[in-house]
Amino acid sequence: KQEVTQIPAALSVPEGENLVLNCSFTDSAIYNLQWFRQDPGKGLTSLLLIQSSQREQTSGRLNASLDKSSGRSTLYIAASQPGDSATYLCAVRDTGANSKLTFGKGITLSVRP
Amino acid sequence: GAVVSQHPSRVICKSGTSVKIECRSLDFQATTMFWYRQFPKQSLMLMATSNEGSKATYEQGVEKDKFLINHASLTLSTLTVTSAHPEDSSFYICSPQDYSNYGYTFGSGTRLTVV
Repeated sequence: KQEVTQIPAALSVPEGENLVLNCSFTDSAIYNLQWFRQDPGKGLTSLLLIQSSQREQTSGRLNASLDKSSGRSTLYIAASQPGDSATYLCAVRDTGANSKLTFGKGITLSVRP
Repeated sequence: GAVVSQHPSRVICKSGTSVKIECRSLDFQATTMFWYRQFPKQSLMLMATSNEGSKATYEQGVEKDKFLINHASLTLSTLTVTSAHPEDSSFYICSPQDYSNYGYTFGSGTRLTVV
């Protein structure tokens, strides 16, 4: 059974800092990995999707890496801003038709002005 | 692309009543729909998977007679919480399968409070 872990559960940083959010998963046989952002009381916004054959994806100030063999992914946020404050969820999709996503509990990020 | 509309965003109901949540894919056809539940400070947990025109498949521990899922069309799926109880209070999110990029899109969620 796939398990996804995100540590720490919460993180507080001053504005402008570069930061790394970590995600680990137990079963390396994944189809892809996706990072989401969730604002309080809201749904999920997809940030980056990395296919199993890829090693990283970039979008603006965000960069996500994937090391499938070690079961790890990182989300790098450059020059953090108060607007980045949210919960960041990592989810892996297993292989197979109609395979489901397994989510981590998320990391709640607070960027202080 | 991949626009999802979920309604209502927030609902308060009395214990024992039923609540229906709608999820629509506005610009794509969703053969498969996933329904998730999220308790405070917890991750999203998959409740059930439905394929258009077929009965839903429920995850272990989820009562199929309590959480009725209808996926009658490629653009609409509904989740009905029947005889709701306070312990059903949670955040419910739908996720239609968009095969265009093999990623997942999500509705904006429904906050259900049962009093």
